[in-house]
Amino acid sequence: GEDVEQSLFLSVREGDSSVINCTYTDSSSTYLYWYKQEPGAGLQLLTYIFSNMDMKQDQRLTVLLNKKDKHLSLRIADTQTGDSAIYFCAESINDYKLSFGAGTTVTVRA
Amino acid sequence: NAGVTQTPKFRVLKTGQSMTLLCAQDMNHEYMYWYRQDPGMGLRLIHYSVGEGTTAKGEVPDGYNVSRLKKQNFLLGLESAAPSQTSVYFCASSYSPGDAANTEAFFGQGTRLTVV
Repeated sequence: GEDVEQSLFLSVREGDSSVINCTYTDSSSTYLYWYKQEPGAGLQLLTYIFSNMDMKQDQRLTVLLNKKDKHLSLRIADTQTGDSAIYFCAESINDYKLSFGAGTTVTVRA
Repeated sequence: NAGVTQTPKFRVLKTGQSMTLLCAQDMNHEYMYWYRQDPGMGLRLIHYSVGEGTTAKGEVPDGYNVSRLKKQNFLLGLESAAPSQTSVYFCASSYSPGDAANTEAFFGQGTRLTVV
């Protein structure tokens, strides 16, 4: 979706932190999501944040939301080889439609 | 619990042929969606449905039709396939009545379609 933008590639060393950034345009979005897609598979929900929150932490994942700048980020601590995947940022529109970014391909190198 | 199941997983079509992709979900979800995924473009919404018997156009509906005759099934049809429809197609479903706080969309494994 053209309304959600994210960088296409990220390379990170195993054990380091990964930060994936996303900008969105619909200020009325209720939820913002991060989905993960492994090779040959469908998308799986990683985490989400409600629009009235600034931060959400879930084990190795930290989501930061700057609603003023319409900026969302996902930080993965202690990145592992199993974290290699495509990560999609998505915003909810009308509470049931999702608009996706193009996806960030994360490559974890040893 | 199977979740969202798509059939077939792979298909090669000749230009002008027709086919139907089937999506089935067993989570009693009201909403169902068809997306296509193309390199560098993320997922784009083709059509969606907010309940049995209803359908609506998404971002890129041209060349596709859908039907939702039963709540658990959402069919995507290509009447006359074109090479531009070569893509990976994903079905998704979301929202159970009585669980309004959960808007997570569950995705199928995808159908890789090649039109030659």
